[in-house]
Formats: sequence, structure tokens, C-alpha cells
Amino acid sequence: KAGVTQTPRYLIKTRGQQVTLSCSPISGHRSVSWYQQTPGQGLQFLFEYFSETQRNKGNFPGRFSGRQFSNSRSEMNVSTLELGDSALYLCASIPGQGQFEQFFGPGTRLTVL
Amino acid sequence: GEDVEQSLFLSVREGDSSVINCTYTDSSSTYLYWYKQEPGAGLQLLTYIFSNMDMKQDQRLTVLLNKKDKHLSLRIADTQTGDSAIYFCAVDNNAGNMLTFGGGTRLMVKP
Repeated sequence: KAGVTQTPRYLIKTRGQQVTLSCSPISGHRSVSWYQQTPGQGLQFLFEYFSETQRNKGNFPGRFSGRQFSNSRSEMNVSTLELGDSALYLCASIPGQGQFEQFFGPGTRLTVL
Repeated sequence: GEDVEQSLFLSVREGDSSVINCTYTDSSSTYLYWYKQEPGAGLQLLTYIFSNMDMKQDQRLTVLLNKKDKHLSLRIADTQTGDSAIYFCAVDNNAGNMLTFGGGTRLMVKP
């Protein structure tokens, strides 16, 4: 069974640009969560999607958005990038349907210059 | 909101047991997790415990949960150098779809 796939693995952008990150969950899993990891703030929850609907959102500005497709793949978008958005963005794949274990992908390392 | 605390650092000798501790504030969590993160990598799910359990054993790993004190611990028996990593404790919200993480404990295993 393939694990969680995140693309790209590394990304360098400049301030003001926007970026789209992709996450493909484990086959059969219906829920995807996104987390931001920084040295200063640690791991923080961004949002969670189940069956193409956002069910929960963390305390991040509106520049951070996401969506989920009918095949459960998810994307997150960050617009008007700031230096502080430099982080490891982790996606978690969740079975759903009463099963809540969260399996994480390798992450996308975003550097904003 | 939920707050999860861990000590920053633990150093042990190879072959000894390691115990990593975690405290949390929200008693409505359903699942409590331990993740391992190696340098440059994502989070590896090590084990988890359901909130109505006191203990769970999985090979070298033992998780203890004290709900009264809101204290979670991870014991690694016969610690090896390959166990050197950062260990994160995480608790879910009562909907099970959002995790709050501790700051991580860096485990160093000396040969």
C-alpha cells in the first residue's frame, strides 16, 4: 500500500508570490489534514478536509486556503507569501469512517526569500 | 485551547530504557499519539492509545495514560542509536480531525 505523497518536496519562492502544494492520501483514505511546522511555533493545524468539504480550520490568515478533490487528493495554496511562511508543510491522511489514525507524508519544505 | 507540553531533551545510553513524558489540558481527547521525526523527514506514527485505556504495549514501546493527571508517557525499551530523533506527543479534538502537538522531545542515544 503506497504511503502519503506530497509534491513538490522542496520549493523556493520570493515574497509576494503564491504557491500550491499537493497531497495524495493513502488509497481509500477520505480525509486529509494539513499542518505547518516551524522552529518557532512548532506544529500547527491548518485545515482538514473530508469528502471535498473543509470541516475544521486552524488559526491562520485567509492567505492560506485549501481544497480536496473527488479522488481525495488535496491542495493547499498560500497567496502573497511572507518570509514567515517558510516552513515544512505536512499533510496527514486519515481513514475516516470512525478511524482516526493520522499518517503523515514527508512534507514540502517551503523557503520564502 | 488545548495545550500540550513536553520536556525538550532526553539523553540515554544504548540499551537503557527511555521514558518521554507529555502533559495535556483537554480531557475530551479521544486518541493520543506518539510520533517520531528524524532529521529532514516527516512524522512517523509510532503508536497511539484510545482514551479509555491505561496502557498499550507494542513491541519495545509502552504507552501509559493517566487521565486523572492528564499525563501521557512513552517508554522505549532497549533504546538503540537508531531511536535518536525528536518525539512528538499529540492529542486530538473530540471530533478526531485535528491534532494539537507538543513541542517535541529530542532523544539522544549514546553508544
